[in-house]
Amino acid sequence: KNEVEQSPQNLTAQEGEFITINCSYSVGISALHWLQQHPGGGIVSLFMLSSGKKKHGRLIATINIQEKHSSLHITASHPRDSAVYICAVRWGETSGSRLTFGEGTQLTVNP
Amino acid sequence: KAGVTQTPRYLIKTRGQQVTLSCSPISGHRSVSWYQQTPGQGLQFLFEYFSETQRNKGNFPGRFSGRQFSNSRSEMNVSTLELGDSALYLCASSREGYEQYFGPGTRLTVT
Repeated sequence: KNEVEQSPQNLTAQEGEFITINCSYSVGISALHWLQQHPGGGIVSLFMLSSGKKKHGRLIATINIQEKHSSLHITASHPRDSAVYICAVRWGETSGSRLTFGEGTQLTVNP
Repeated sequence: KAGVTQTPRYLIKTRGQQVTLSCSPISGHRSVSWYQQTPGQGLQFLFEYFSETQRNKGNFPGRFSGRQFSNSRSEMNVSTLELGDSALYLCASSREGYEQYFGPGTRLTVT
């Protein structure tokens, strides 16, 4: 069964802390997405990556294809980063745009 | 550039009724995917349409159907609504192989 696992499920941090959220998947993929969901439901795509590392502002995403593992890092965390972060994968080229999601990580950053 | 729009945003229906939800993708995006989000099951893939053809289908009963029009707008229909169909329904559009852009979702409540 193709699976996506995220850890931790919940994370509480103090403002300014460095945060890491992890994602593991069971078989080869064509792409991995990191998504952010705020209360109210809207989902924003943060990164799509198939190899290496991407950086956008204070956010960094890395992926290790051999280990089937990806991490999302937030540097200098801020209360506005509080949201649910979701890892999602596209399994193969025949999957089209179909995504399989992890359960999400609820991040709370306290001032 | 306008984002993905979904209508209606909120909907209350009674068991046994049917419902149609609409999604307008970003201009130029030919792929539209639909997802269901519930507290118990998380985010799950419903189906994907590309150039008016259903390209992928998730593991949902036949009561869930969809279509895509020549302008890439998509609709999904749920017939004979059940209480368990209460969920946030999200659509996402993309260019082939690129990241997905999510709409704000339609929150469906079945009573």
